[in-house]
Amino acid sequence: DAKTTQPPSMDCAEGRAANLPCNHSTISGNEYVYWYRQIHSQGPQYIIHGLKNNETNEMASLIITEDRKSSTLILPHATLRDTAVYYCIVRVGLGNTPLVFGKGTRLSVIA
Amino acid sequence: KAGVTQTPRYLIKTRGQQVTLSCSPISGHRSVSWYQQTPGQGLQFLFEYFSETQRNKGNFPGRFSGRQFSNSRSEMNVSTLELGDSALYLCASSLQIDSPLHFGNGTRLTVT
Repeated sequence: DAKTTQPPSMDCAEGRAANLPCNHSTISGNEYVYWYRQIHSQGPQYIIHGLKNNETNEMASLIITEDRKSSTLILPHATLRDTAVYYCIVRVGLGNTPLVFGKGTRLSVIA
Repeated sequence: KAGVTQTPRYLIKTRGQQVTLSCSPISGHRSVSWYQQTPGQGLQFLFEYFSETQRNKGNFPGRFSGRQFSNSRSEMNVSTLELGDSALYLCASSLQIDSPLHFGNGTRLTVT
């Protein structure tokens, strides 16, 4: 599976949009981009995933560049409860390989 | 719908003992994965099961084993515990192999 690169930490003011970048320059055509987050003392929580089109759900939006070498997770109105470690993962869509978590980005939402 | 349930929530064992952790997936989910999380190594993949068959295995010694039952519930076992096995053990289930994972809140194992 392709590797991902994320900044180790970011801050965001409460109520503002949080934009979390992820670089996956070696992604293959059949690999999906997944985002999870882990709030302290809980298991990781699935947020969103996509292949090449932008995706939106009730939690976030996923913007994937046209060349698919990078993506951005957008939390439109960050709250203190969004403080967590956010993981960007690429994985072959048919699930032949397991999800491999990197170190993620620690997002701190500040009041 | 109930989430992934892991029992027990906390466990303290002594070096050399063995331990069994249990995971009940979300109803209808057929795939179960296990992960170990430590401060130093982060989240590391242990195993993945689908319909009682192990599909993938991570790079862990043979002391770590698992299984899945016909009702999709899963257990993992660690024999001859070492201090380094102290970790948060997370179970995740998914509807199908290529569906998003839904995690439980883990079992925190402390080996003394």
